[in-house]
Amino acid sequence: GNSVTQMEGPVTLSEEAFLTINCTYTATGYPSLFWYVQYPGEGLQLLLKATKADDKGSNKGFEATYRKETTSFHLEKGSVQVSDSAVYFCALSDRGGKLIFGQGTELSVKP
Amino acid sequence: NAGVTQTPKFRILKIGQSMTLQCTQDMNHNYMYWYRQDPGMGLKLIYYSVGAGITDKGEVPNGYNVSRSTTEDFPLRLELAAPSQTSVYFCASRPTTDREASPLHFGNGTRLTVT
Repeated sequence: GNSVTQMEGPVTLSEEAFLTINCTYTATGYPSLFWYVQYPGEGLQLLLKATKADDKGSNKGFEATYRKETTSFHLEKGSVQVSDSAVYFCALSDRGGKLIFGQGTELSVKP
Repeated sequence: NAGVTQTPKFRILKIGQSMTLQCTQDMNHNYMYWYRQDPGMGLKLIYYSVGAGITDKGEVPNGYNVSRSTTEDFPLRLELAAPSQTSVYFCASRPTTDREASPLHFGNGTRLTVT
């Protein structure tokens, strides 16, 4: 079946460090891929998405590229801020319209 | 501009009690979902609905029931609460158009503790 695997957290970085959170997926066909972010005490918010191979999603300095050959959708940011501290979820959308999530990666950015 | 609204925000139940988690959206979305979030486990789909009168099981439906009598509302019912149902519950919706590519809109969650 379809599944999403993320790197385990927590990830702790200093402000202005480079961020990578790995995400790989297993799916039939070519699903749409998403990154969601969850700030403490809140629901999930869409961060970015990509709907086909080689698409790059970007938002708020975050980027992720849909790599069909490696079935990956890694999240990157060149310079993180304290305000980026949150839990990040990678997800895919199956043909039935359901979203399947990875287990989440907690990011903590220290000043 | 309410989006997806969940009530209550917090609830403590005793084992064997029942309750309904409410979810309503004002975006006229046909697709609605219930997820539970356990620490380190991501989100697991409980039930979903593709429109009024239509519901289907997700990954972890046991111990829960849903109904969808209107487009706006999608309540989740726990009949006999068990400690294993202690979790944070999220309701979400998405439009039908381009359903695979459209993102989910989430409520702020209900934190449920069963003791």
